[in-house]
Amino acid sequence: DTAVSQTPKYLVTQMGNDKSIKCEQNLGHDTMYWYKQDSKKFLKIMFSYNNKELIINETVPNRFSPKSPDKAHLNLHINSLELGDSAVYFCASSQNLGVSHQETQYFGPGTRLLVL
Amino acid sequence: GENVEQHPSTLSVQEGDSAVIKCTYSDSASNYFPWYKQELGKRPQLIIDIRSNVGEKKDQRIAVTLNKTAKHFSLHITETQPEDSAVYFCAASRSKLVFGAGTILRVKS
Repeated sequence: DTAVSQTPKYLVTQMGNDKSIKCEQNLGHDTMYWYKQDSKKFLKIMFSYNNKELIINETVPNRFSPKSPDKAHLNLHINSLELGDSAVYFCASSQNLGVSHQETQYFGPGTRLLVL
Repeated sequence: GENVEQHPSTLSVQEGDSAVIKCTYSDSASNYFPWYKQELGKRPQLIIDIRSNVGEKKDQRIAVTLNKTAKHFSLHITETQPEDSAVYFCAASRSKLVFGAGTILRVKS
């Protein structure tokens, strides 16, 4: 009955590898997000999708590619991983009630990525 | 773009005392201001939010005030308890959530 779920919870990998993180929400929300939380706990938006359409694409390297197969899923693929990609990645979702990104966002449990 | 500053970065209070965390924002068009609590190793969770047409909102021991003219908003926690210990984030939104850097709140029993 988890509202927003992510897999995997932990990801340890070598530099240069490609990895994916999956996110699913069962809240019936229209909008989903990816956030990055760095080692200093700073939380920054990376992407947002509304009904499978990309809405926000922050200044994120091209190595990061989100994909939304349907409005309940938003995955994040990362190519050629670098040391600086080590962080906690949070997925979130919210209902779109007509006011962009101004509804409660529900966060997933996070994926702790460590690049060695 | 929007910039949100949050103070203090750490706050230690005695159990039962009040705690106040302050944030300022730069974009006068921002009109949604949520506060999130993040316990160690857990996800951020919304504890209270306020919109620009409201000056104050209260939910039990938690209250938020907003001064649109000065572009600042504050979180007030009364009668603090050890379980209030966490990192608190403010955020401001016009078209996307921009978070402050967080405040580590420690409640000493």
